[in-house]
Amino acid sequence: GAGVSQTPSNKVTEKGKYVELRCDPISGHTALYWYRQSLGQGPEFLIYFQGTGAADDSGLPNDRFFAVRPEGSVSTLKIQRTERGDSAVYLCASSRTAQETQYFGPGTRLLVL
Amino acid sequence: SQQGEEDPQALSIQEGENATMNCSYKTSINNLQWYRQNSGRGLVHLILIRSNEREKHSGRLRVTLDTSKKSSSLLITASRAADTASYFCATDWGGYQKVTFGTGTKLQVIP
Repeated sequence: GAGVSQTPSNKVTEKGKYVELRCDPISGHTALYWYRQSLGQGPEFLIYFQGTGAADDSGLPNDRFFAVRPEGSVSTLKIQRTERGDSAVYLCASSRTAQETQYFGPGTRLLVL
Repeated sequence: SQQGEEDPQALSIQEGENATMNCSYKTSINNLQWYRQNSGRGLVHLILIRSNEREKHSGRLRVTLDTSKKSSSLLITASRAADTASYFCATDWGGYQKVTFGTGTKLQVIP
């Protein structure tokens, strides 16, 4: 079956702009996670959804970052007033339940100029 | 912040040799997992070892876990050029998989 997909693959924006990154999890997976990976580092946890609700958003760096999952499937990560330091690969993962293996999407590479 | 640290940061071996990489972590865990990442993009889950397990095998992969030392090792036997990638350990705790990744080992297998 289809894996986790993320769009766009690459996004270039200017400092101060607003961006939305989309994640389509594997069908039927109730848990969804967002991570951010900077160059040369491992992925860092941002937020975890169980169904429609954000069960843990402790990894969001500040209030410019927000994520939604209104119908318990697709999720959108929203970044307001982007800064150059937001440049990274944003990874999404989903799992069938919260205790099972996470499957990762290919990521969105965000570049803020 | 990163939970774990992989060692070495980079490893270069000849095809057919074995590759060993290590991971150390800081807090008690439920599970430890190893992932592979090619070209800085998609992460592929390799193997999961639970905190009550000491060793696990999957094909050419062998993982050990020493909870007293808070460390794990990943052994890839008879390496192939296609094994060239970055390898990350990841730990989770609590009621769900809040996975925390290490900094990764960059493996290069020379044909």
